[in-house]
Amino acid sequence: GAVVSQHPSRVICKSGTSVKIECRSLDFQATTMFWYRQFPKQSLMLMATSNEGSKATYEQGVEKDKFLINHASLTLSTLTVTSAHPEDSSFYICSLAGGRNEQFFGPGTRLTVL
Amino acid sequence: DQQVKQNSPSLSVQEGRISILNCDYTNSMFDYFLWYKKYPAEGPTFLISISSIKDKNEDGRFTVFLNKSAKHLSLHIVPSQPGDSAVYFCAASENTGNQFYFGTGTSLTVIP
Repeated sequence: GAVVSQHPSRVICKSGTSVKIECRSLDFQATTMFWYRQFPKQSLMLMATSNEGSKATYEQGVEKDKFLINHASLTLSTLTVTSAHPEDSSFYICSLAGGRNEQFFGPGTRLTVL
Repeated sequence: DQQVKQNSPSLSVQEGRISILNCDYTNSMFDYFLWYKKYPAEGPTFLISISSIKDKNEDGRFTVFLNKSAKHLSLHIVPSQPGDSAVYFCAASENTGNQFYFGTGTSLTVIP
């Protein structure tokens, strides 16, 4: 399967600051990438679908102005959490669509907002 | 609205015995189902999948069973090994695209 990396793996920031998380496909050109969020002991919740060269599609309840997604190339998608607050603390995971019914997940980024 | 549910948050099994993880779904449009394994602070890794045209798929120690009429699937691991200890998520998708709907996960502990 495709190899997906995320950077950083862990980030701690102060409330009100913005944090950028990168998701890279190391060996696969990904037209579509997904961003998930997982709260402790909860499911992986899809936040948005990122399409290369076009605007991301956000799931209901996810603020597009707060979670900025940029998919500028076939190997890189970024998620920026703007003006982060403690309730944004979560585990953020990206994945890329390898084909029909295929997704390859990154290792995740643990965000802690103080 | 949780379309995919895993009602058992945790499961403990003795090494060598069978582990059975269950998953229920509500959307009859789901036609493809997957199981992922996840270690803490890591992304999910694909384990096994099944299409709705089948009722069983086997890969080594892992077997997935699908009961469409009951909207239920299960993952059997036999024999269970300590290295199988992880959180297991089931996921489902519709024919329309790549979006996955995940269950809440079951934490499996295999006791040596």
